[in-house]
Amino acid sequence: DAGVIQSPRHEVTEMGQEVTLRCKPISGHDYLFWYRQTMMRGLELLIYFNNNVPIDDSGMPEDRFSAKMPNASFSTLKIQPSEPRDSAVYFCASSLHPRSNYGYTFGSGTRLTVV
Amino acid sequence: ELKVEQNPLFLSMQEGKNYTIYCNYSTTSDRLYWYRQDPGKSLESLFVLLSNGAVKQEGRLMASLDTKARLSTLHITAAVHDLSATYFCAAPDTGTASKLTFGTGTRLQVTL
Repeated sequence: DAGVIQSPRHEVTEMGQEVTLRCKPISGHDYLFWYRQTMMRGLELLIYFNNNVPIDDSGMPEDRFSAKMPNASFSTLKIQPSEPRDSAVYFCASSLHPRSNYGYTFGSGTRLTVV
Repeated sequence: ELKVEQNPLFLSMQEGKNYTIYCNYSTTSDRLYWYRQDPGKSLESLFVLLSNGAVKQEGRLMASLDTKARLSTLHITAAVHDLSATYFCAAPDTGTASKLTFGTGTRLQVTL
């Protein structure tokens, strides 16, 4: 398995533009998580899905952020409009049932810079 | 709300020395996870500790879990430069156990 695949690896965009981050989880994993990492706030859970259904989006910072999972092999995180404070590394992770013995597998991340 | 705290936040140590990173969490949990992150890279799973008293070892790293004290430790033996990275512990949400809350991370720098 190729692991969790995220794209793009790097994104530089101007303030006000729409940004879409993409994630392909490991096949067979029922859970998908979006995290954001910054120096100031560390790793923050934004939203997670179980069997393509959003379960907890309490970490989504505001209405400018939205996430979808139209099928078991694809998820998107969209920011519209983007702001400089959204600059961060965004990680997608997937897992089997969380009480399995393996924890999460993380993707390589998308480094977003909003200028 | 689950809180996970690590200390120290930054650790500079010489090669060959031993040291321990501590991870405290605020609510009952029967499992604990450790991850490693190299600069500019993703998080890599190191250990999954599944019960009270669990101990796991991989090379120069050994992790343990004390659920009664709500404490996990990551012990480094005879550090080498290749261990330089940031180490995170993470505990599951007690309600659903579906999501992990991560600690602040400990940045380890091993000097020659």
